[in-house]
Amino acid sequence: DAGVTQSPTHLIKTRGQQVTLRCSPISGHKSVSWYQQVLGQGPQFIFQYYEKEERGRGNFPDRFSARQFPNYSSELNVNALLLGDSALYLCASSLGWQNTEAFFGQGTRLTVV
Amino acid sequence: DAKTTQPPSMDCAEGRAANLPCNHSTISGNEYVYWYRQIHSQGPQYIIHGLKNNETNEMASLIITEDRKSSTLILPHATLRDTAVYYCIVRVALGGNQFYFGTGTSLTVIP
Repeated sequence: DAGVTQSPTHLIKTRGQQVTLRCSPISGHKSVSWYQQVLGQGPQFIFQYYEKEERGRGNFPDRFSARQFPNYSSELNVNALLLGDSALYLCASSLGWQNTEAFFGQGTRLTVV
Repeated sequence: DAKTTQPPSMDCAEGRAANLPCNHSTISGNEYVYWYRQIHSQGPQYIIHGLKNNETNEMASLIITEDRKSSTLILPHATLRDTAVYYCIVRVALGGNQFYFGTGTSLTVIP
């Protein structure tokens, strides 16, 4: 079975641009969460989606948005990129929306120049 | 926010048991203890979780003190592939799947 897949694996963007990151969860999993991991720190929670509805949001500005599609895949959008948005963006998939272990993808490395 | 305290780094000899401590003195009765690890440049990998009782699976054992204020992750026979950053996380049982990672413990397994 395929694990969590994220695309692209690496991305370079310029300040002020917009970026869209994609995630496909494990087959049968209905929840997707997004995390940002800046170099040297642990992952920070951004969003959780379950059954296409937002179920949780971390302390991130409105420049960050996400959505989940009927096939449970998800996109994370970041507008007006800042240098500080450079990070590894991780997607995690879980069976339900609570109290289950989350399985992480390999992440998308975003560099903002 | 992260509610756990872990040593920043530890070493362990290959083949020996690695014991990784975690303090969670403010843990509530309905909060689970989860352990994940992250090998360089990869996504975090689930290891084990528990509420009150000790737990064991094919990867590790989790020992939770009776007052639940601390726990220890045990890798019984550490290998070089166990070199990673280990995160101890507490999470509300009925909350969403929102994990709040701290800075973790960087474990180095030495040949």
